[in-house]
Amino acid sequence: DARVTQTPRHKVTEMGQEVTMRCQPILGHNTVFWYRQTMMQGLELLAYFRNRAPLDDSGMPKDRFSAEMPDATLATLKIQPSEPRDSAVYFCASPPFGTGGTEAFFGQGTRLTVV
Amino acid sequence: GDSVTQMEGPVTLSEEAFLTINCTYTATGYPSLFWYVQYPGEGLQLLLKATKADDKGSNKGFEATYRKETTSFHLEKGSVQVSDSAVYFCALANQAGTALIFGKGTTLSVSS
Repeated sequence: DARVTQTPRHKVTEMGQEVTMRCQPILGHNTVFWYRQTMMQGLELLAYFRNRAPLDDSGMPKDRFSAEMPDATLATLKIQPSEPRDSAVYFCASPPFGTGGTEAFFGQGTRLTVV
Repeated sequence: GDSVTQMEGPVTLSEEAFLTINCTYTATGYPSLFWYVQYPGEGLQLLLKATKADDKGSNKGFEATYRKETTSFHLEKGSVQVSDSAVYFCALANQAGTALIFGKGTTLSVSS
C-alpha cells in the first residue's frame, strides 16, 4: 500500500521552540512538496524538491523555516523559532514520476499548534 | 498571478441530491485543472482532472468540464451519498506545470 507518511500527526509546542516535521515519500517518487493549510489562506505551497535538490522555496519564510531532503526516503521541514502564526496543518506530497507536481499523493498532515 | 475561486461553503445536502460546486480560475494560457478531495483527518486525494478545453474529467460519479469561455471547472454529481462528505478543492497547475494552486476549499456535508 503505497502512501506518503508524515510524523508527527499532531504537535503542540511553545513559542520559540524548534519544530521538526518529517515526511517519507512514496518509494521511487523523486519529487516532494510541502504545503501549509490554514483557515485564512487555504493551501499554500511552501517548497518542493526534486532528486533531493530544492527547486523552489519561494513560498517559505526564510528567516525561520528550512526544508531539506537528506536522502530519498526522508524530507524534513523545520521551524526555528516557532511562532503562534505558524499554527497550521503541514502537508507533504509526492507525485509519481512523469506527472510533474500536479497529481500528487498527500500525506495525512502534521497539525501544528504553537502556543 | 494565477488563482482559483470556489464557492464558499458549507454546502449541506440530503442523500441523493444533486451537487454543484462552482469553480472559476484566472490564469495565463490554458492550465490543467483538477479537483482534489479531503476526507476528515486525511490528506488530499486527486478526484479528477482535465488537461485541455472541453475535456471532461470524471471519477466516482463526479464530473467537471473544462470551459475556457467561462474560465470555469464546476464539479457536479447527480446523486450524493453520505460518504461524499468532505472538503473539495479546485486547483490549477502553475505556469511551469510543476505545482498546484488551490482554491480555498468547499465543505460538503451530506445527511441521510
